[in-house]
Amino acid sequence: DVKVTQSSRYLVKRTGEKVFLECVQDMDHENMFWYRQDPGLGLRLIYFSYDVKMKEKGDIPEGYSVSREKKERFSLILESASTNQTSMYLCASSPITGRLIGNTEAFFGQGTRLTVV
Amino acid sequence: DAKTTQPPSMDCAEGRAANLPCNHSTISGNEYVYWYRQIHSQGPQYIIHGLKNNETNEMASLIITEDRKSSTLILPHATLRDTAVYYCIVRAPGGGGFKTIFGAGTRLFVKA
Repeated sequence: DVKVTQSSRYLVKRTGEKVFLECVQDMDHENMFWYRQDPGLGLRLIYFSYDVKMKEKGDIPEGYSVSREKKERFSLILESASTNQTSMYLCASSPITGRLIGNTEAFFGQGTRLTVV
Repeated sequence: DAKTTQPPSMDCAEGRAANLPCNHSTISGNEYVYWYRQIHSQGPQYIIHGLKNNETNEMASLIITEDRKSSTLILPHATLRDTAVYYCIVRAPGGGGFKTIFGAGTRLFVKA
């Protein structure tokens, strides 16, 4: 089975702290994603990466950065955590999607519930 | 990627079929319809996907209208463990990756 593992289920951090959320996948997937999930807003894409050292902004990248130094690991970084970044963070991975191939699904981790106080 | 519209919530009696609708009127020809669900405190779980034809797997059936502007996910015999938020999304291939757009979904309550 594909496994996407997020390093923590629950985190509590103080305002202004630098926060690292780690995600590891074991299926050699090219694509990895970070979302946040808030009540009534569904999942919103923060950043995604389609290759090592490659990254693209999603819909809400402000206040976040990412790092992909190895294919299996995708890190989300909150440079200076703020209370409005309290949320559930979900990591996902999927195999590469070619120009004519649409039928690949994404596999999600269990999520990290981050509280910034 | 096209946007989707789903009802915010639905109820279903245990053992009965749950039919979850989704509108995707702006879907383009190469976009697939996907369904995921998210049980409380877990990450989303893939259920099924399709392009034009109806699809069935061990979890559910997917019925796509001929004009592809809407679809229905069918859980044939809902159980209490099927209580979850169900997301309908449409996705196109191509580019260096893909963005999966999840809306608010439908919260399905399966009642005993």
